[in-house]
Amino acid sequence: QKEVEQDPGPLSVPEGAIVSLNCTYSNSAFQYFMWYRQYSRKGPELLMYTYSSGNKEDGRFTAQVDKSSKYISLFIRDSQPSDSATYLCAMSLTGFQKLVFGTGTRLLVSP
Amino acid sequence: GAVVSQHPSWVICKSGTSVKIECRSLDFQATTMFWYRQFPKQSLMLMATSNEGSKATYEQGVEKDKFLINHASLTLSTLTVTSAHPEDSSFYICSAKGYNEQFFGPGTRLTVL
Repeated sequence: QKEVEQDPGPLSVPEGAIVSLNCTYSNSAFQYFMWYRQYSRKGPELLMYTYSSGNKEDGRFTAQVDKSSKYISLFIRDSQPSDSATYLCAMSLTGFQKLVFGTGTRLLVSP
Repeated sequence: GAVVSQHPSWVICKSGTSVKIECRSLDFQATTMFWYRQFPKQSLMLMATSNEGSKATYEQGVEKDKFLINHASLTLSTLTVTSAHPEDSSFYICSAKGYNEQFFGPGTRLTVL
């Protein structure tokens, strides 16, 4: 069993839709949860990170962590074609050290 | 924002040769750099953590004699794949830790023939 599971997609949505991206994990010791966006031929770029359980909002993006279910989500409101990318979840025991990544979900937002 | 570069962006080599990949933090100093490998349709897997001026720490299953890491300065880390074989063909990405965040390079595509 992988430590972090993420549906690879692709997930295709029309412009303006609400997108829900999810990851499950097996290690209950994870404390830090990150979401990265990766465009083709580029390195991952940090979108948001949260510590422990709860929600965090930044503009059109909302990250949720449910540690009791070992489940994290990223919601994108009013999705735009420029949001088309691969979204990777990552998590760690101690901050930005030894990140464990999901496989990434490819998102396609059509105009 | 913080920028990390990698060179080369892609490389093709013959089996048995060695390949060196450079990772540089362009506008900040990084005491810690990380090397990841990504196979198609798989997640980024941490290979090793390098700290400036000390030996790298390798993850379980990663051969330290095959993947040589040198972190000689606060802005440069190198990964050398020695005696490369086709199964080493992959996408290698480095990251540098700065401002309490990991900043990733654009990656290097290695193809071993």
